[in-house]
Amino acid sequence: EAGVVQSPRYKIIEKKQPVAFWCNPISGHNTLYWYRQNLGQGPELLIRYENEEAVDDSQLPKDRFSAERLKGVDSTLKIQPAELGDSAVYLCASSLVYRREGLTDTQYFGPGTRLTVL
Amino acid sequence: KQEVTQIPAALSVPEGENLVLNCSFTDSAIYNLQWFRQDPGKGLTSLLLIQSSQREQTSGRLNASLDKSSGRSTLYIAASQPGDSATYLCAVREGGSEKLVFGKGTKLTVNP
Repeated sequence: EAGVVQSPRYKIIEKKQPVAFWCNPISGHNTLYWYRQNLGQGPELLIRYENEEAVDDSQLPKDRFSAERLKGVDSTLKIQPAELGDSAVYLCASSLVYRREGLTDTQYFGPGTRLTVL
Repeated sequence: KQEVTQIPAALSVPEGENLVLNCSFTDSAIYNLQWFRQDPGKGLTSLLLIQSSQREQTSGRLNASLDKSSGRSTLYIAASQPGDSATYLCAVREGGSEKLVFGKGTKLTVNP
């Protein structure tokens, strides 16, 4: 079974440019997460989707960041315009949440996209 | 606000040694605790997940314990190997939430 797929793996842009990251979760997983990991830090949640709905975006800098998950499968995270401080690894994860039973499987992470803003 | 701390930040040991990584968290109202492994340039791989009602979990040479009341967890690695070299991250899932709060990790180097 394929894991979480992310692209691109690396991206170098100049500040003020736009950038987009793509994530394809594990087939059948209804919940998708975007995390940002700064150098030497643990990942921090940016946004969580259950199916098509963003249920937790409290940590997403909404002035420049946006995300979508069309049809409840693939997701795109966009930054416009990028700033120097946005340099980080952007991780996508997915899991299967059994809402009615209150059960959550573990989160499976993709390899991440390393963004460098010059 | 939940805070997760991992000690030490880095650890270097000779091959074959048994070792312990530490994780502490400030709010004991957690749903579960998870240990992940992260290799350079790669994503996170889940190693062990301990539910809040459990005391420990084991997988091969790995054993994780949880003391929820004191806000502590340890990851024990027996007979370490060079292939164990990686960064180990501890994360807690807050009660009533799907959110994981991570520590900064412990970078482990096992020397042949």
